[in-house]
Amino acid sequence: GAGVSQSPSNKVTEKGKDVELRCDPISGHTALYWYRQRLGQGLEFLIYFQGNSAPDKSGLPSDRFSAERTGESVSTLTIQRTQQEDSAVYLCASSLVSSGRHNEQFFGPGTRLTVL
Amino acid sequence: AQSVTQLDSHVSVSEGTPVLLRCNYSSSYSPSLFWYVQHPNKGLQLLLKYTSAATLVKGINGFEAEFKKSETSFHLTKPSAHMSDAAEYFCVVSHYNYGQNFVFGPGTRLSVLP
Repeated sequence: GAGVSQSPSNKVTEKGKDVELRCDPISGHTALYWYRQRLGQGLEFLIYFQGNSAPDKSGLPSDRFSAERTGESVSTLTIQRTQQEDSAVYLCASSLVSSGRHNEQFFGPGTRLTVL
Repeated sequence: AQSVTQLDSHVSVSEGTPVLLRCNYSSSYSPSLFWYVQHPNKGLQLLLKYTSAATLVKGINGFEAEFKKSETSFHLTKPSAHMSDAAEYFCVVSHYNYGQNFVFGPGTRLSVLP
């Protein structure tokens, strides 16, 4: 079946503009994660959705960042008033939860955001 | 809390020689452990996973890892490096009792010299 998809693949924006990034998880995966990866760096956790539970927003770096998820489907990550330090690849992953256990994450190809 | 330490930020080996990428974890529970690989400008791909079955886990592309509870380690090995193995490798610890579940190590960059 289809994997995790993300759109757009690349986004160039001007400082101060808002951007919206989209993630389509694998069908049936109740857990969805957003990460940020700056050039040459590791993964930085942003937010985690699991079913109908309240999302874990503990990784969001500022109130300019927000994310929503429609049921167990699409998620959007919104960055308001973008800054140059927001430039990074934003990765989405989903995983299957069965019998209370999390299986491995499947990653999308990422959205490369460049803020000029 | 959970945490992952990857002891080497960069490892360089010659083609055809063994690879050892080290990972140590901390978890209050019996965790699941994963290794992911990220080739330049590519997405993350699962190499292998440990989920409380056999302690020696075999993955794709000839990689394997051994879970050693007494040492809280999950080191990644390969008998003979290939040029195509040059990439960034991430060790990940997970347990469903923790909120966002998956904690990534900082990564180890593997260079393979001809």
